[in-house]
Amino acid sequence: GEDVEQSLFLSVREGDSSVINCTYTDSSSTYLYWYKQEPGAGLQLLTYIFSNMDMKQDQRLTVLLNKKDKHLSLRIADTQTGDSAIYFCAALEGHQAGTALIFGKGTTLSVSS
Amino acid sequence: DAGVTQSPTHLIKTRGQQVTLRCSPISGHKSVSWYQQVLGQGPQFIFQYYEKEERGRGNFPDRFSARQFPNYSSELNVNALLLGDSALYLCASSLGQTNTGELFFGEGSRLTVL
Repeated sequence: GEDVEQSLFLSVREGDSSVINCTYTDSSSTYLYWYKQEPGAGLQLLTYIFSNMDMKQDQRLTVLLNKKDKHLSLRIADTQTGDSAIYFCAALEGHQAGTALIFGKGTTLSVSS
Repeated sequence: DAGVTQSPTHLIKTRGQQVTLRCSPISGHKSVSWYQQVLGQGPQFIFQYYEKEERGRGNFPDRFSARQFPNYSSELNVNALLLGDSALYLCASSLGQTNTGELFFGEGSRLTVL
């Protein structure tokens, strides 16, 4: 089945760009997601990308998808202290039309001022 | 518009007890999915419901069950609680059965089993 891997920690300084990376195993995944989770809270949908796209930009967020390498990245421009949180990469389970997402373990982003 | 709402936000149970968690999807959304998030891990898919029928099930024992009501709200039931069931239970809401990309989560119900 699908497996999603992420690096566990990233530390950046305020104002720098952050890049969070993710790899997945199932090339038939049609949707790939980035969610943000703050302490004690639920998941906030940041953005998602359909598998026929290479890039998607939304304000400070840029998602890059390399289907050949099954690699997804999230770039946050001008990172702020409020961006400190856990970021989850998720892939729609292959051959599924529904909503069964496979999540990575999350990358903890720490932003220092 | 209200987002996905879940209740209760926190609860404590003892081993062997049963628990019911509730979820109301975003207005106009007809599909509800349930996920379990154990501390330090990513969420794991439990169920998807659409039009009151189960449309997907993850790798969870039969102690876990759910249902969806005509107003599209949903309940997750867990019987014979184990210590390992302690987790944040998240509900996700989407428009229809098939994935169109937008999948929104609630704040979750945090269950502690003693």
